[in-house]
Amino acid sequence: QVQLQESGPGLVKPSQTLSLTCTVSGASISTPGYYWSWIRQPPGRGLEYIGYIYYTGSTNVNPSLKSRVTMSVDTSKSQFSLNMSSVTAADTAVYYCGRDVWDSWNFDLWGRGALVTVSS
Amino acid sequence: QSALAQPASVSGSPGQSVIISCTGTSSDIGTFNYVSWYQQHPGKAPKLIIFDVRNRPSGVSSRLSGSKSGNTASLTISGLQAEDEADYYCSSYTNLNTHVFGTGTKVTVL
Repeated sequence: QVQLQESGPGLVKPSQTLSLTCTVSGASISTPGYYWSWIRQPPGRGLEYIGYIYYTGSTNVNPSLKSRVTMSVDTSKSQFSLNMSSVTAADTAVYYCGRDVWDSWNFDLWGRGALVTVSS
Repeated sequence: QSALAQPASVSGSPGQSVIISCTGTSSDIGTFNYVSWYQQHPGKAPKLIIFDVRNRPSGVSSRLSGSKSGNTASLTISGLQAEDEADYYCSSYTNLNTHVFGTGTKVTVL
């Protein structure tokens, strides 16, 4: 079955860039109709949508994070990535990658999540 | 884009029904039938339980049902069971071509 797995550093210093990668297995990341997404959840708090990338490279980012977020996709490795610059303690969260279904706009698959702590 | 408003907590005894509301605006729930609901157990990733307002993915219990009226969506859990104790989040597509999540509701089975 299709699985998603986040990977990346668990600790990032303030003002630096957070980088995470999501590896998709069991299906092609180039399948039309799916947007590959990032969602985060600060400890003890609710979910926040970060954005998505399509296999063509087109992106959509939450306006509140747009100035700090870039995303990329590597179809040959079946991976997509998130970069968030100028991080602060407020960016400490579990970061999930997920699959967003076009024309239904729901996240039908999620990775297990990766905790990223921003601290010096 | 503000988070969709959900009650912080709801509770019920086994066998009872509980309803979780999710209130948005005309920019999201009021315009689009792209409302989804997620169940999250402690330490786990969210799981899709309702999409397109009222549709259940394969394998999701029929005790879970969704509806919408105006700017408010609702999730009903019928025949409450111990396994239903979890956090629940709604989500909607918005007119900014993005998603917005609800504030989350903790369901407690008494």
